Amino acid sequence: DIQMTQSPSSLSASLGDRVTITCRASQSISTYLNWYQQKPGKAPKLLIFTASSLHGGVPSRFSGSGSGADFTLTINSLQTEDFATYYCQQTYSTPYTFGQGTKLEIK
Amino acid sequence: QLQLQESGPGLVKPSETLSLRCSVSGGSLRSRSYYWHWIRQPPGKGLEWIGSSYYSGSAYHMSSLKSRVTISVDTSNNQFSLKLNSVTAADTAVYYCARSVVRTSGDAFDIWGQGTMVTVSS
Repeated sequence: DIQMTQSPSSLSASLGDRVTITCRASQSISTYLNWYQQKPGKAPKLLIFTASSLHGGVPSRFSGSGSGADFTLTINSLQTEDFATYYCQQTYSTPYTFGQGTKLEIK
Repeated sequence: QLQLQESGPGLVKPSETLSLRCSVSGGSLRSRSYYWHWIRQPPGKGLEWIGSSYYSGSAYHMSSLKSRVTISVDTSNNQFSLKLNSVTAADTAVYYCARSVVRTSGDAFDIWGQGTMVTVSS
């Protein structure tokens, strides 16, 4: 199975900040990497697919990059609604696996 | 807009079978363009993919659950199901159903149900 490791596990930031979350795969997964946002008590929402493509309706302050085994999610100019937990996911091969999550909190 | 809705018992006894259904509305499950998935999330923990099925019935499962999991598709009722047998407390989780778009560049789970909490307890 492909292991996905996110860092940091938690992050404190202020409104307007730029934050970066990283995700590393245990082997190369090309760009078969998605990012999701989850708020408490809610289902995850797709933000980014194939490493860098923005899902419809997602604000442009979200961006993704990377290929191979190393990926990043960047959020520019943090808004109140961005404070949530973020997960990466590989769909290179089954079983599809998620990172452990990064909780973004208000400083 | 396609929507997914999970349903099933919220409480299951240890060693019994967990059975959940995901109803698809606003679109057809019978499509070559999508896969249909089950994902779970234990309380306070991360997401775990359980398995998926195509409309034709072919399925893929998480290896550690493979012997206990059955995912099936009912195209006539536009729903798909999860059965997990011999459950233990470790199977307590919120269970989500989701859809992914079939892409050569990799699937992405673009629509999710709201999730249903299942507790395994006597």
